[in-house]
Amino acid sequence: GDSVTQTEGLVTVTEGLPVKLNCTYQTTYLTIAFFWYVQYLNEAPQVLLKSSTDNKRTEHQGFHATLHKSSSSFHLQKSSAQLSDSALYYCAPTGDTNAYKVIFGKGTHLHVLP
Amino acid sequence: EAAVTQSPRNKVTVTGGNVTLSCRQTNSHNYMYWYRQDTGHGLRLIHYSYGAGNLQIGDVPDGYKATRTTQEDFFLLLELASPSQTSLYFCASSATGGTGAEQFFGPGTRLTVL
Repeated sequence: GDSVTQTEGLVTVTEGLPVKLNCTYQTTYLTIAFFWYVQYLNEAPQVLLKSSTDNKRTEHQGFHATLHKSSSSFHLQKSSAQLSDSALYYCAPTGDTNAYKVIFGKGTHLHVLP
Repeated sequence: EAAVTQSPRNKVTVTGGNVTLSCRQTNSHNYMYWYRQDTGHGLRLIHYSYGAGNLQIGDVPDGYKATRTTQEDFFLLLELASPSQTSLYFCASSATGGTGAEQFFGPGTRLTVL
């Protein structure tokens, strides 16, 4: 079946240090785009990053991710975490025109400490 | 001018009660989705639709019905609510079901079943 595996639970990092949130996926449908969604406290999820090109780095708001189809991974990284990055992060591979569903991972809580 | 709105924002009902959650989008999107969000499970798809009158079953449909009356409006119905349905419910819309389309989420409805 289809599955997305993210770094489990809570990731705690000190402000200014690098952070990496892992995402690997296994889908039966053709995945043509990959998203990271971010959900801040008491808000709705929103897109942080999108990528559809293999081995190409995508950046937004200081975060970056590179899609590696060979290893089925789309890890999210930032070189210097900020307090405002504290949130819940979801990885979501998205399918082709016949696959309406989007599979979300279980989410990873990022807590940035001062 | 929010593109996806949900009502009510909070709802308390009793076991066996009848609940309808409403969602309206003004994005002119074809696809709409209902998710529930629970700690440890992330976002789970309940039902989705790709147009008025269409309904597709998601991953956790038991105990839920849905109806898409217009392109804009998507309703989630709990006819015999149970405490296990206490959750945060999100509605979302997207321009296409796959092809890398971003999902736009509403603000959520917090449902408590006593």
